[in-house]
Amino acid sequence: DADVTQTPRNRITKTGKRIMLECSQTKGHDRMYWYRQDPGLGLRLIYYSFDVKDINKGEISDGYSVSRQAQAKFSLSLESAIPNQTALYFCATSDPGQGYEQYFGPGTRLTVT
Amino acid sequence: GEDVEQSLFLSVREGDSSVINCTYTDSSSTYLYWYKQEPGAGLQLLTYIFSNMDMKQDQRLTVLLNKKDKHLSLRIADTQTGDSAIYFCADGGATNKLIFGTGTLLAVQP
Repeated sequence: DADVTQTPRNRITKTGKRIMLECSQTKGHDRMYWYRQDPGLGLRLIYYSFDVKDINKGEISDGYSVSRQAQAKFSLSLESAIPNQTALYFCATSDPGQGYEQYFGPGTRLTVT
Repeated sequence: GEDVEQSLFLSVREGDSSVINCTYTDSSSTYLYWYKQEPGAGLQLLTYIFSNMDMKQDQRLTVLLNKKDKHLSLRIADTQTGDSAIYFCADGGATNKLIFGTGTLLAVQP
């Protein structure tokens, strides 16, 4: 089983709808992250959480919110989706051990029409 | 803000060496990373290097770090068609919030 899972894997929604993307991990890591990937722009950090009570904005947090329901779960919400939020969204986890490696989920492809 | 830059595309022949380059601006980086993304997949960590190292070798992969010039490179020896993917350089910064480059698409010609 994958260590970091994301649901849904693909989603098409309409402008103005609320949508939630979910991330779960079995790695036991405290740190979790949400990124979006756009062609030619690499990955950009939306929000991150270093433990259950810690939530921080990343580079591009406007239009997004998050919830850290438990150590293993970190959800990303778009309160009112807009077309320029069409992108590939990745969740990642890390542990402050050697290398601070981040482990990525498979991604959610979101299309806002 | 901090920035990471990579060239967008590299084409090599199977069996040749590939060298993917990256420059970064953050002088407080502790770790620098190389990730690989295959089509339709998430990112896979290939290797990383601590900022006080100049070189790290891991099988076919060699990472070179020039901290003075803030330049990082990834060399893949004996490149295979299975190495075709997008390669991302990432700067861990002082707090390890990763800043990614735009990615380099490596195309391996048979």
